[in-house]
Amino acid sequence: GAVVSQHPSRVICKSGTSVKIECRSLDFQATTMFWYRQFPKKSLMLMATSNEGSKATYEQGVEKDKFLINHASLTLSTLTVTSAHPEDSSFYICSARRYQETQYFGPGTRLLVL
Amino acid sequence: DAKTTQPPSMDCAEGRAANLPCNHSTISGNEYVYWYRQIHSQGPQYIIHGLKNNETNEMASLIITEDRKSSTLILPHATLRDTAVYYCRRLRNAGGTSYGKLTFGQGTILTVHP
Repeated sequence: GAVVSQHPSRVICKSGTSVKIECRSLDFQATTMFWYRQFPKKSLMLMATSNEGSKATYEQGVEKDKFLINHASLTLSTLTVTSAHPEDSSFYICSARRYQETQYFGPGTRLLVL
Repeated sequence: DAKTTQPPSMDCAEGRAANLPCNHSTISGNEYVYWYRQIHSQGPQYIIHGLKNNETNEMASLIITEDRKSSTLILPHATLRDTAVYYCRRLRNAGGTSYGKLTFGQGTILTVHP
């Protein structure tokens, strides 16, 4: 299957700082990328969908000013958690697909906010 | 949310076939059945998908009933590394490929034991 990478794999930051997570599609052009969040022992929750060159569409209850998503190229999307707080600590997973083909997932980024 | 029903958990002996059922009785004619799995602390992994014919790849086989109301994912020779949460999802087909946002319910926790 297609390969999606994320960086960093884990990050620890202080409360109030911002953290950027990168998601790359390594062997295909991702016209659409998705960001998910997963809390311990819970299922993945879709946060937002972004199409290359367009603004992201956020799911209900997800603050767009807190979770900034940029999808400026066909191989890169970034999620920036602004003014992070301990409750933002979670496992963040990106996903990508080319047009309407199969959706592939990255390995995830574990964020811990102290 | 496109509804599917899966048992919360299953056990399987190593080396035996694991048969994971999924009920999707309200599936539409233009919806594919997709299977993903998530191994602990990793991003979801695509396994297989199908519309109405049975499908097989290097990971698994997918058996879809003739009325398309249910399906079974078969791991022919389960190993300890197949222990994971398995998700069965429906995705709308558009122009011969999958389409739509992938969301996740609880899935089936498969435990493969020695």
